[in-house]
Amino acid sequence: GQQVMQIPQYQHVQEGEDFTTYCNSSTTLSNIQWYKQRPGGHPVFLIQLVKSGEVKKQKRLTFQFGEAKKNSSLHITATQTTDVGTYFCAGLMGTGNQFYFGTGTSLTVIP
Amino acid sequence: DGGITQSPKYLFRKEGQNVTLSCEQNLNHDAMYWYRQDPGQGLRLIYYSQIVNDFQKGDIAEGYSVSREKKESFPLTVTSAQKNPTAFYLCASAPGQGFLVFEQYFGPGTRLTVT
Repeated sequence: GQQVMQIPQYQHVQEGEDFTTYCNSSTTLSNIQWYKQRPGGHPVFLIQLVKSGEVKKQKRLTFQFGEAKKNSSLHITATQTTDVGTYFCAGLMGTGNQFYFGTGTSLTVIP
Repeated sequence: DGGITQSPKYLFRKEGQNVTLSCEQNLNHDAMYWYRQDPGQGLRLIYYSQIVNDFQKGDIAEGYSVSREKKESFPLTVTSAQKNPTAFYLCASAPGQGFLVFEQYFGPGTRLTVT
C-alpha cells in the first residue's frame, strides 16, 4: 500500500495567495526530496532534506522536515502562475535506496 | 549536451506484444530507475540499478524486465504478462550509490498505450 501520503490532492488558489502541501509517512524517513512536475512534463528536483527539524528556503518556497522525520511540508508564499504544476514528495526509508513518492498535489493558480 | 533521454515519446502496441522502452544517460550516474506514473497515484518504482550488471525489483516489478549491461543504458521491457501496461513511464538517474543519496534526474518519459 501507499507508504507516503500527500495532501491535498488538488489545490486552486488565486494568484498572490499562499499554498501548502503536506507529506506524511507512517515510517521514519532517512531523508525526503521534493519535486515539481509541470503539466505534460517530467519531475524536476527541488530540494532534499536530511536533518530532523530542518527548514530550507528557496525564494518564495519554504521546505520543512518534521522533528520525528515522518512528515514534511512545502509552503509557497504569494503564488504566481509559474508555480502551476504537481508537487511530489519522495521519502527514503532506512538504509534502502528506494524512494517512495507521495501521490502529489496539483496546484492551479488563477490569475 | 548532458542529460537523460527516453524514446520514443509515444508508443502504441497491441495486447500480447512485448515492448522495450529506451533510457540513456550521459551524466555518468551510477544509479538508474524506472517509474510508472498513473493518474492520482504518483510515481511507483518498477526497477532500479545501482551499478552495471545489477538491479533490484521495486514495488511493481511483476510483468516487467530490465537489463544494465552498460552504465549509460537501462532499457525496460514491458512483457505481455503485465496486466495493465498503459501508463506514463519515467526513467531517472542519480549520482552516487550505496548509502549516498542524491537528486534524481528524470527523462521526458514515454507514454505507452496498449490496446
